[in-house]
Amino acid sequence: AQTVTQSQPEMSVQEAETVTLSCTYDTSENNYYLFWYKQPPSRQMILVIRQEAYKQQNATENRFSVNFQKAAKSFSLKISDSQLGDTAMYFCAFRGAAGGTSYGKLTFGQGTILTVHP
Amino acid sequence: GAGVSQSPSNKVTEKGKDVELRCDPISGHTALYWYRQSLGQGLEFLIYFQGNSAPDKSGLPSDRFSAERTGGSVSTLTIQRTQQEDSAVYLCASSSRGVQGETQYFGPGTRLLVL
Repeated sequence: AQTVTQSQPEMSVQEAETVTLSCTYDTSENNYYLFWYKQPPSRQMILVIRQEAYKQQNATENRFSVNFQKAAKSFSLKISDSQLGDTAMYFCAFRGAAGGTSYGKLTFGQGTILTVHP
Repeated sequence: GAGVSQSPSNKVTEKGKDVELRCDPISGHTALYWYRQSLGQGLEFLIYFQGNSAPDKSGLPSDRFSAERTGGSVSTLTIQRTQQEDSAVYLCASSSRGVQGETQYFGPGTRLLVL
C-alpha cells in the first residue's frame, strides 16, 4: 500500500517570503502522479500543482514549484512571494498510473497548515 | 464551466437515521470519487466509479455505506443507521480520461454531523 507523509503539521511565513512544505511517500510502483492540493477555510480542495513521475523536470505553476526527487521519494512544494491568500491547509497526494495497483484513488498526507502573516 | 457540486452543504441528523449525500460531477467527466475527511482519520478514499466498470468499493468502512451513480453522472452516497463516528466532511471529486485525466477536481463537500 502507498503511504504519504507530511512531517510539518504547521508552518508560517511572512508575506512576500518563500516557504517550502515537505512531503515523502512510499510506493513500489514506477509510474504514478503526485499532487499538491490547497484547502482554504471554505473547505474547497483546489489543485495547486501536479507532477508525473516519468518526467524528470520539476513542475512549476507561477509562484508554486516542486522539488521532485524520485529516488528519495520526496516531493516538496515551494511557494515564492507568499501572499495572504495562500493561507490554507496543504495536502500532498499520490495516485498510481493506469495499470498499477493503486490506480484511481488518491492517497493523502496528513496536511500542513500554512499561515501567511502580513 | 461549472465545477463539481454537492448537496446539501451541511446535514445534521440523529443517530440511527439514514442520510443521502449527492454529487454532481463536472459535465463529461467519466470518473467519480468519494472521500471522507475527519479530524481523527484525515482524508480517506471511500469509493470510485469509472464509466460502466464495476466500482472500486475498497474504501467503504462498513456495509452501512453504499453509493450509486445513475446514468454515468450524478452520484448518491447513502449512510444507513448513522453513528456519531460518521460525522465528517464528505468530499466528491471527478476526473476525465486523457492526458489530464489523472487530476481530480473536488466539490465543496457536505459536512455531516450525527447527534
